[in-house]
Amino acid sequence: QKEVEQDPGPLSVPEGAIVSLNCTYSNSAFQYFMWYRQYSRKGPELLMYTYSSGNKEDGRFTAQVDKSSKYISLFIRDSQPSDSATYLCAMSARGRGNNRLAFGKGNQVVVIP
Amino acid sequence: GAGVSQTPSNKVTEKGKYVELRCDPISGHTALYWYRQSLGQGPEFLIYFQGTGAADDSGLPNDRFFAVRPEGSVSTLKIQRTERGDSAMYLCASSLYNPDATGELFFGEGSRLTVL
Repeated sequence: QKEVEQDPGPLSVPEGAIVSLNCTYSNSAFQYFMWYRQYSRKGPELLMYTYSSGNKEDGRFTAQVDKSSKYISLFIRDSQPSDSATYLCAMSARGRGNNRLAFGKGNQVVVIP
Repeated sequence: GAGVSQTPSNKVTEKGKYVELRCDPISGHTALYWYRQSLGQGPEFLIYFQGTGAADDSGLPNDRFFAVRPEGSVSTLKIQRTERGDSAMYLCASSLYNPDATGELFFGEGSRLTVL
């Protein structure tokens, strides 16, 4: 079993719809949870960062972490064509300066105008 | 530079050849990471440098892979006797050192390696 599971299926939604993405994980040591956005042929860029359980909102984006269920989610409200990208969940355990990330496979999201 | 710079952006080589991929991190970032991303997959950790030393190389797949960072800035990932399975995007990331390991990683645009 991989440390981080993310159903890699592509997702096509009409503009303005809510996009819902999620990941599960198995390593109880993970304490930092992130969502990265990756445009085609580009490096990942940090979108959302959450420590431990709870919700975090940033504009149209909401990240949720449920450590008891080992489940994290990302919601994109009022989706725009510019949101079309691959979204990767990532997580890490703390310790000794090494911010080694474990990534999910990513979801390719296409927002149709 | 303003961001993490990786060269070459694309590299095509033949099976059995030697390849070097270069990463120039953000100035002042002492932590540097190499990841490998295969098509349709998320990035997979290869190696972490803190300064000049490899603090964690547990992600290197085998002894054909080696990385150096001699002056604590630019890093080179070296792949010997390349195999077709080495074809992937190689991503470099850097961050400020943070003992709690909470620093944001800044990724470069990657070096796409194709082994024929």
